[in-house]
Amino acid sequence: DQQVKQNSPSLSVQEGRISILNCDYTNSMFDYFLWYKKYPAEGPTFLISISSIKDKNEDGRFTVFLNKSAKHLSLHIVPSQPGDSAVYFCAARKGGGADGLTFGKGTHLIIQP
Amino acid sequence: GAVVSQHPSRVICKSGTSVKIECRSLDFQATTMFWYRQFPKKSLMLMATSNEGSKATYEQGVEKDKFLINHASLTLSTLTVTSAHPEDSSFYICSASSGLSSPLHFGNGTRLTVT
Repeated sequence: DQQVKQNSPSLSVQEGRISILNCDYTNSMFDYFLWYKKYPAEGPTFLISISSIKDKNEDGRFTVFLNKSAKHLSLHIVPSQPGDSAVYFCAARKGGGADGLTFGKGTHLIIQP
Repeated sequence: GAVVSQHPSRVICKSGTSVKIECRSLDFQATTMFWYRQFPKKSLMLMATSNEGSKATYEQGVEKDKFLINHASLTLSTLTVTSAHPEDSSFYICSASSGLSSPLHFGNGTRLTVT
């Protein structure tokens, strides 16, 4: 039962353009959502998060949008840079942080020059 | 910022032996740490929640006698893979949070290979 879904295994975007990574979830108990960036053989690096009481959070080139009614969130990266090439994981949390995160399967973002 | 250190980064062991992986929160105290496992090209799967001063909570399907977790202090949790078998070969990652409203930070992971 995949509670957090990232339906695009990979995404290719031209440098300078906007990258949009999507994530859907099924559990309405999730109250906090996070995006992580991961390189092979390394642990995930936290990028940005959003609480369920908000619909948008912005940090530099990264913006996360949350649509609670659709149980959908997205990560926008603009402008995309070559160093953004990595696997991006969407994660969700419930219980105020006492529980571990539930991860999607990840989307491999490839930024082309 | 918060940093989580994990050691070793790589380990190769023979089948039947035990391997210990350490996870430390370097500049904050973590009453709770989490252990994840990642199979190739798969998502991170939560194995167990490590609680300081009490028993770990294991996810369904994870053998607690095989994956021993000890949260000895507020900055250290260890995962011991006992009597390792080749199917235990995987990438193990720990994580910790400095507070309930803070994101989880991850260690760099341990690549375990059992021959």
